[in-house]
Amino acid sequence: QSALTQPPSASGSPGQSVTISCTGTSSDVGGYNYVSWYQHHPGKAPKLMISEVNKRPSGVPDRFSGSKSGNTASLTVSGLQAEDEADYYCSSYAVSNIVVFGGGTKLTVL
Amino acid sequence: QVQLVQSGAEVKQPGASVKISCKASGYTFTGYFMQWVRQAPGQSLEWMGWINAGNDITENSEKFQDRVTITRDTSASATYMELSGLTSEDTAVYYCAREWYSSGRRAWNMDVWGQGTTVIVS
Repeated sequence: QSALTQPPSASGSPGQSVTISCTGTSSDVGGYNYVSWYQHHPGKAPKLMISEVNKRPSGVPDRFSGSKSGNTASLTVSGLQAEDEADYYCSSYAVSNIVVFGGGTKLTVL
Repeated sequence: QVQLVQSGAEVKQPGASVKISCKASGYTFTGYFMQWVRQAPGQSLEWMGWINAGNDITENSEKFQDRVTITRDTSASATYMELSGLTSEDTAVYYCAREWYSSGRRAWNMDVWGQGTTVIVS
């Protein structure tokens, strides 16, 4: 199972919006609504930001939203803040009960 | 509160095995699944496998199929991940993470994470 494809980097100024893509296949992202997004600050444990494509866990700011079209899922961060600077990873359920991660995107707040 | 506490850092020689523990608290241990993920230096997150803490059923990544063993001890509310045949490429931070589960439906996410265990193979 190949990793999902994410852009290596993304950036935006404070207050702006940025969207990070996550491209898979019909065997993972496109075939199931089980895409998750994680925020990872270096040295800390990852944090779940979006589950099942567009569900926001309790405590996650509504500036974070998720969507999916075909084999590509997206994470949008609106109203960028300095603390949003981190690595972001997508993951998806894939056929045969496995999980696949994306390569990660480093988000820089300019 | 829901918490996962992992065992401490390990330094192993090539060819050895490592067994990492993950002790859960604050929720019904047997009602959830536990995922295992690792991150090598400068690399992305990598899925290793999962265990159903309720019935001991496991699934592992093909990449680690013959080298990884995930187990659980319900009396201790703990899961364990053992990786054998270590090489320098196994140097990484290893995480356990709870998968949300309710009413027979899995969410295939990781909603609570352990603090991570550093394994150095040298």
